[in-house]
Amino acid sequence: NAGVTQTPKFQVLKTGQSMTLQCAQDMNHEYMSWYRQDPGMGLRLIHYSVGAGITDQGEVPNGYNVSRSTTEDFPLRLLSAAPSQTSVYFCASSPQRAEITDTQYFGPGTRLTVL
Amino acid sequence: GDSVTQMEGPVTLSEEAFLTINCTYTATGYPSLFWYVQYPGEGLQLLLKATKADDKGSNKGFEATYRKETTSFHLEKGSVQVSDSAVYFCALSDQGFQKLVFGTGTRLLVSP
Repeated sequence: NAGVTQTPKFQVLKTGQSMTLQCAQDMNHEYMSWYRQDPGMGLRLIHYSVGAGITDQGEVPNGYNVSRSTTEDFPLRLLSAAPSQTSVYFCASSPQRAEITDTQYFGPGTRLTVL
Repeated sequence: GDSVTQMEGPVTLSEEAFLTINCTYTATGYPSLFWYVQYPGEGLQLLLKATKADDKGSNKGFEATYRKETTSFHLEKGSVQVSDSAVYFCALSDQGFQKLVFGTGTRLLVSP
């Protein structure tokens, strides 16, 4: 199993550009989520999904869109990038949606810089 | 809202020293508590967890006890190794669906 994979590893954008961060998992996990990691602030939840076709907002959803058309994929879209979105983005997945003690499996991250 | 507070880093230790990383939390309910570790260039990995008061989570020589009376979940290890150098995150989950709330992370540097 590859686990949770993210692409690209690094990306530089100009203000106003759009892009999609890709996330895929091959563990048949129902639950997937996106976090951003900023210095001095830990990780903050952006969006999450409890299954294909179902998404919801986390703590910091503004400026980001998500969709979940398959169990495996959970892309994160930036429609008009802003310097405040410079961050490291992590995707995570988990096998059960109702058990809060389940382990979340994290991808290696995407480092995004918006100029 | 829920929050997690961790001690500032970096924590610098010599090999075989004793490690404590403090973590306290604020939650409205009865959260589950976690420690995640991030090695350089990698994503986060679950290190240990505890789901109720007085539970002790342990893994790879690390331990943490869920203290409801002091709302704490301090991470300890009796003898650190160079390979333990990483960033350690304390986190809680209080709302189901694993909406993790993370602390700011504590960087540990272990020298030979």
